[in-house]
Formats: sequence, C-alpha cells, structure tokens
Amino acid sequence: DQQVKQNSPSLSVQEGRISILNCDYTNSMFDYFLWYKKYPAEGPTFLISISSIKDKNEDGRFTVFLNKSAKHLSLHIVPSQPGDSAVYFCAARYGGSQGNLIFGKGTKLSVKP
Amino acid sequence: DSGVTQTPKHLITATGQRVTLRCSPRSGDLSVYWYQQSLDQGLQFLIQYYNGEERAKGNILERFSAQQFPDLHSELNLSSLELGDSALYFCASSGISGGSTYNEQFFGPGTRLTVL
Repeated sequence: DQQVKQNSPSLSVQEGRISILNCDYTNSMFDYFLWYKKYPAEGPTFLISISSIKDKNEDGRFTVFLNKSAKHLSLHIVPSQPGDSAVYFCAARYGGSQGNLIFGKGTKLSVKP
Repeated sequence: DSGVTQTPKHLITATGQRVTLRCSPRSGDLSVYWYQQSLDQGLQFLIQYYNGEERAKGNILERFSAQQFPDLHSELNLSSLELGDSALYFCASSGISGGSTYNEQFFGPGTRLTVL
C-alpha cells in the first residue's frame, strides 16, 4: 500500500509559467515533508521541505503548500525554467528527527522553451 | 555535490554472485540510509544505520545486509543475486553539519547494478 502517492507521472509546462506538482499521503503520523529533484544519472537533490505544523514554505521560485486535512501537499515553481526539467520526488518522514523517508514514485517535469 | 560518495558507479555481475557497494557519508553525518530504485519505481528504503548501529529496516531482502564502520562509512552487501536485483542503489546521509539539521537526507550519486 503506497503511503505517498504522486498521481501524475509527467507534467509539461511552458517556460515562464507556473509548475504545480502534487503529492498525497495516507499516514497522519508523518511529521515532515520534503521535495527532491533528480536528474538522470545523478542522485536526488534536496529542494525544499515543510514541517507538518506549517502550511507553507517558500524558497525563491519554489513554494511548498501543505493541507493536512486533505493529506495533500504541492510544490509550486514560478516561473518555470528549462533547467527545472527533472523528476521530482515527494517524500514524507516518520520516526522523528532521525526518521526514515517514504518516497512517491516521482513526477517527470518538462519545461519547454 | 552533496558530499556523499558512492563506489563503484557501475557494477555488472552475474546471477548468484555477491557484490559490495560502498558509501561515505558527508563529513560529520552519523546516519546512513540505503535505498533501492528499480525501473519505474520510487526510492525504496532498505536500511538505516546511526553511528555504527542498525536503526531501522525497510524492505530489505534477507540476501542483503549492511554495516556501518567506526569511520562512519557504510557497505551494502548483496548476495545470491537475481535478475530482479538490477537497480540503482543510493546511499544518503543526514546529521548536523554545515548548519543543516537532521531533517534532510543528502544523497550520493548512486551505484547502478546490472545482474546478467
């Protein structure tokens, strides 16, 4: 049973527009959520995170929103750039500060010039 | 560069064989995590070590084992290899270094294992 779901395997967006990547989870015990970006032949790179006690975290062009009642989070990228083209993984943590991450299967974002 | 190193980058071997993957965490990080990424799959957590001790186990097969050494590097041992073990294996570390907290895990570049 998948505890973290990214229902869109792919997303295509025009350069300069907003990219919205979605993630749903089922376990209310998750206390921290993270987004990772992955290019081919490289390891995942940490992008942005949010604590379960917050509903929004912003870092430059990247904003993560958390809706705990809906068990849903989203990553907004504004404006999207061709270099943002990558696979984005949503991850949720359980077990506290040294806990483990449960990853979604990823969404492949393509930003077209 | 995450500061996490993994060797080898690629590994090709035959069914039934045994291999060892190596990971060096970021300087000062005490936690090491191993993940497997198969084709079209997300990252599956295998096992975590903290300061030399096993801390958590995920979907790790009995044919697989790991350890973390006093210098904090870790090795993942895969034995009696099967075709289905072909995957990318990632190591990640976390800790308190460079101003970060335990919240984020930092990933190495991975080892691509091909079992023929």
